[in-house]
Amino acid sequence: SQTIHQWPATLVQPVGSPLSLECTVEGTSNPNLYWYRQAAGRGLQLLFYSVGIGQISSEVPQNLSASRPQDRQFILSSKKLLLSDSGFYLCAWTREFGNEQFFGPGTRLTVL
Amino acid sequence: QKEVEQDPGPLSVPEGAIVSLNCTYSNSAFQYFMWYRQYSRKGPELLMYTYSSGNKEDGRFTAQVDKSSKYISLFIRDSQPSDSATYLCAMSAVGVQGAQKLVFGQGTRLTINP
Repeated sequence: SQTIHQWPATLVQPVGSPLSLECTVEGTSNPNLYWYRQAAGRGLQLLFYSVGIGQISSEVPQNLSASRPQDRQFILSSKKLLLSDSGFYLCAWTREFGNEQFFGPGTRLTVL
Repeated sequence: QKEVEQDPGPLSVPEGAIVSLNCTYSNSAFQYFMWYRQYSRKGPELLMYTYSSGNKEDGRFTAQVDKSSKYISLFIRDSQPSDSATYLCAMSAVGVQGAQKLVFGQGTRLTINP
């Protein structure tokens, strides 16, 4: 069976510090991978998606970037965090040409 | 106008009641429709997935899609306190290179009272 992991689970960072969130998927090959952000009391906003190693598509211009160094690894980064980057970050995956999207447990980021 | 509209609630019903959750959408290109359940401080869990108009049933849950009206619903029968969560509708059009870009509703916060 497939599983998706995210870490860390929670993170508190000062403004201006760097960020690296990691997501890995097990039990499947060539998944499509997605990063979402969920602000308090709001729906999910798609940030980035990737259909393969090194292939990143950005949905929203912002202070964040994404990378996919391996087939089942997706990383969300920032060089300098802003207060507005606080939120719940969710990684998700679909099979290569699948439509059902499955989410990880999320990382709760607080920028102070 | 948002592409997907969902009443945020909150919605509170007694245990055993039938719950109806709804979303409307404006993009006629949407072809895939999903309902997620999200418990507090957890990732969303996929409950139902449909791609055609009509009903799909899974246990106590029924998903309904009406593409002509751009309206989807989720019904929960014999609701239980464990159903208390936020329910998110999500939908997507045919993706480029197989990527599926979901557009979410705001989520409806549901409480089932024992």
